[in-house]
Amino acid sequence: EPEVTQTPSHQVTQMGQEVILRCVPISNHLYFYWYRQILGQKVEFLVSFYNNEISEKSEIFDDQFSVERPDGSNFTLKIRSTKLEDSAMYFCASKTQGDSPLHFGNGTRLTVT
Amino acid sequence: RKEVEQDPGPFNVPEGATVAFNCTYSNSASQSFFWYRQDCRKEPKLLMSVYSSGNEDGRFTAQLNRASQYISLLIRDSKLSDSATYLCVVIPGTASKLTFGTGTRLQVTL
Repeated sequence: EPEVTQTPSHQVTQMGQEVILRCVPISNHLYFYWYRQILGQKVEFLVSFYNNEISEKSEIFDDQFSVERPDGSNFTLKIRSTKLEDSAMYFCASKTQGDSPLHFGNGTRLTVT
Repeated sequence: RKEVEQDPGPFNVPEGATVAFNCTYSNSASQSFFWYRQDCRKEPKLLMSVYSSGNEDGRFTAQLNRASQYISLLIRDSKLSDSATYLCVVIPGTASKLTFGTGTRLQVTL
C-alpha cells in the first residue's frame, strides 16, 4: 500500500536555527497538509496546499513558517527561526480529493534546545 | 464551543467489553466525519469514515446524528490491541482541512 514518507524521523536543532522537514506524499494525491502535535496535546492543523498554493493556514502558521512543493514529489515545511515552543511532532498528510480522509506520514519529531 | 469535542477518558475496560465514544462538533455545515486511531507517539491512522446511515467494520460501528451534531464509535468484544487514543475528525463546512478532537484514550485490560 502506498504511503506518505517523512524525513528525518528526529531532528534536534538549536533555538534560532532554520529547519526543513521533508515529506513525499502519495503519488496520485492532490491535497497536502502539515499538522503538528505537541507532546500530550491534540493534533493541530498548520497548513494545506493544493494546486501549487496554500489553500488554508492556521494562526500557528505565521511568517516563520513556509511550505514548498519544489518538484512533483516533495513537499517541505520550513521553519525559519525555531523557538523552544516549536518542539513537537510534525505530521505530513495527503489525500486524493476534498472530502477524502487524510493519510499521514510517520512524523518528524522536532526538538528545539 | 470547541470545533470538535471529545471526552478525553481514559476509558479502562476489560477484554471482551463493549465500549462507546461520543464526539460533538460545532459546525452544522460539516460534511465529512472520520474516526482515527493513534498509538503512543505514532501517526494517526484512519479507522473508518462515518456515513449518514451509519456503518460497520467488523467489531467497529460508527454512527452520525446530524440533528444533534454528534458522532459515535462503538467497539464490541474489545481486544488488548484496541488500546489506543481514538480521534474524532471532522471536515468543518467548506474547508478542506480536517479538524481533530483531543482524542479519547482507551485502555483494554486482561
